[in-house]
Amino acid sequence: DVKVTQSSRYLVKRTGEKVFLECVQDMDHENMFWYRQDPGLGLRLIYFSYDVKMKEKGDIPEGYSVSREKKERFSLILESASTNQTSMYLCASSRAAGLSNQPQHFGDGTRLSIL
Amino acid sequence: EDKVVQSPLSLVVHEGDTVTLNCSYEVTNFRSLLWYKQEKKAPTFLFMLTSSGIEKKSGRLSSILDKKELSSILNITATQTGDSAIYLCAVEGNAGNMLTFGGGTRLMVKP
Repeated sequence: DVKVTQSSRYLVKRTGEKVFLECVQDMDHENMFWYRQDPGLGLRLIYFSYDVKMKEKGDIPEGYSVSREKKERFSLILESASTNQTSMYLCASSRAAGLSNQPQHFGDGTRLSIL
Repeated sequence: EDKVVQSPLSLVVHEGDTVTLNCSYEVTNFRSLLWYKQEKKAPTFLFMLTSSGIEKKSGRLSSILDKKELSSILNITATQTGDSAIYLCAVEGNAGNMLTFGGGTRLMVKP
């Protein structure tokens, strides 16, 4: 079974802090994704990565950055946290699309509160 | 811009009822449509549909894609309280396995 592990289930930080959310997958997947989930808005893509050291902006990248130094790890960084970044953050991974259509597998999520 | 709309937003039924959840989409270069179930934690994968008219079935759950109508339905028969969850529809619309998600349907099954 695919295992996507997010480092924290719950996190509370203060406005202006730099926040790191970590995600690790154990299936050697090429693709990794960061979403945020808000009531009524569904999942919205923040950033994704097709390969090590590669990143692409999703639909709502403002206020975020990412890092992918190793294939199995994809980090989301809030450069200066703000209250409107309070949300559930979900990480996902998938096999590269070039091989076949493969579904994304999700971690359990990190519920982040910015005070 | 790709768009996915799910209906209804929420649904309350009793155990044993049959429910139908809807998903419609506007997407460039459609590749696949996926259904996920989300309880308290991670969305878990249910179905992936790529060809129109083919029904995917797993126990009491089934789904059909209608590429002509740009829509899909998820059916759950003989519902149980364990089916209570948010059901998410997502569409892969271009190369690279990027997904666009709908807002989800929250299903509550009462005993």
